[in-house]
Amino acid sequence: EDKVVQSPLSLVVHEGDTVTLNCSYEVTNFRSLLWYKQEKKAPTFLFMLTSSGIEKKSGRLSSILDKKELFSILNITATQTGDSAVYLCAVTINFGNEKLTFGTGTRLTIIP
Amino acid sequence: GAVVSQHPSRVICKSGTSVKIECRSLDFQATTMFWYRQFPKQSLMLMATSNEGSKATYEQGVEKDKFLINHASLTLSTLTVTSAHPEDSSFYICSAIRGPLNEQFFGPGTRLTVL
Repeated sequence: EDKVVQSPLSLVVHEGDTVTLNCSYEVTNFRSLLWYKQEKKAPTFLFMLTSSGIEKKSGRLSSILDKKELFSILNITATQTGDSAVYLCAVTINFGNEKLTFGTGTRLTIIP
Repeated sequence: GAVVSQHPSRVICKSGTSVKIECRSLDFQATTMFWYRQFPKQSLMLMATSNEGSKATYEQGVEKDKFLINHASLTLSTLTVTSAHPEDSSFYICSAIRGPLNEQFFGPGTRLTVL
């Protein structure tokens, strides 16, 4: 059975801190790993990673994938209160018609 | 970016009634849409894959007779929760796939409360 595990489950930090969120996976025929941010409604897309070692960056957020160790991290630097959300990691598999298997999520709370 | 809408955004119904939720891709055609369910403080769980013009594919443990999916056009999929019970109360989210990069876009979700 495909499995995606995120850690920590929740994290509370002060504004300005840097955080690292973890996602590990065990799937057959891995194709890609995606990160989403979910506030009150549906998830919004952050990154898609398919190759090891290539960092993707968007402003204060960055992410990297390690296909040998089967994990990815999402970094957020200089956190702001608007970063408070649940961060979801999901994977797709080859021949899996784009369906996503989601991890448990990490609830991030930024204290002003 | 692409837009996916859901209607209604929130519904409250009595136990035993059926509820229909619509998922529309507003500015692109989607041969494949997905339906997810999310319970409070839990992650999204895929319920089924909705394929335009053919039967939906349900994930293990999801009752196809209870959660009826119809993907009648390239821009619309509907999920009908039949004979809803309080345990069906959840946040239902759809997503649509846009080619040729097969990007997945999520709808805003529908919160169902069954009394």
